[in-house]
Amino acid sequence: AQRVTQPEKLLSVFKGAPVELKCNYSYSGSPELFWYVQYSRQRLQLLLRHISRESIKGFTADLNKGETSFHLKKPFAQEEDSAMYYCAVQGAQKLVFGQGTRLTINP
Amino acid sequence: EAGVVQSPRYKIIEKKQPVAFWCNPISGHNTLYWYRQNLGQGPELLIRYENEEAVDDSQLPKDRFSAERLKGVDSTLKIQPAELGDSAVYLCASSFQWAYNEQFFGPGTRLTVL
Repeated sequence: AQRVTQPEKLLSVFKGAPVELKCNYSYSGSPELFWYVQYSRQRLQLLLRHISRESIKGFTADLNKGETSFHLKKPFAQEEDSAMYYCAVQGAQKLVFGQGTRLTINP
Repeated sequence: EAGVVQSPRYKIIEKKQPVAFWCNPISGHNTLYWYRQNLGQGPELLIRYENEEAVDDSQLPKDRFSAERLKGVDSTLKIQPAELGDSAVYLCASSFQWAYNEQFFGPGTRLTVL
């Protein structure tokens, strides 16, 4: 069965500092990994997916199959990055989400 | 484009009462999902529809939960009777058929059971 672990429930950094949100997964097949974001009073939305290998809003995430990780990174945090972030793995026609990390960017 | 529409946005009921949530997916999306999100947790899939057919309801507590999508468009999720532990946000999402990696979420219904 798929499983996603986000070890940090809360993460607080200062504006301009680097950010890394951790995500580890377990899945026996070839998974697709995603990061979803939920800004205050907005709906859950897709931020990025590993197969696209793209940078969205300055965020990147690299799939490390050896460590079964998909950490989300941004070199310089901005105040508008404050939100809930969820890592998700897709396998067997189903998305499984982690518990989420609340990221707060301090001015 | 309004996106996925859900109603009501908030619902407060007493335990043992029934409750129903409604979802209208994005036009053209054949696949509809219902998720439950408990406080401090990520969303968990309850049921997935492909058109009118419920193709994955393995996580739906069938003793008290039911869902329908009669015409393959909008859907209703019902709880009868509600229990205290059912307090959660109920999310609806939709996607094109087989596009499980591109789901669009509604705003959710926050249920409080007293």
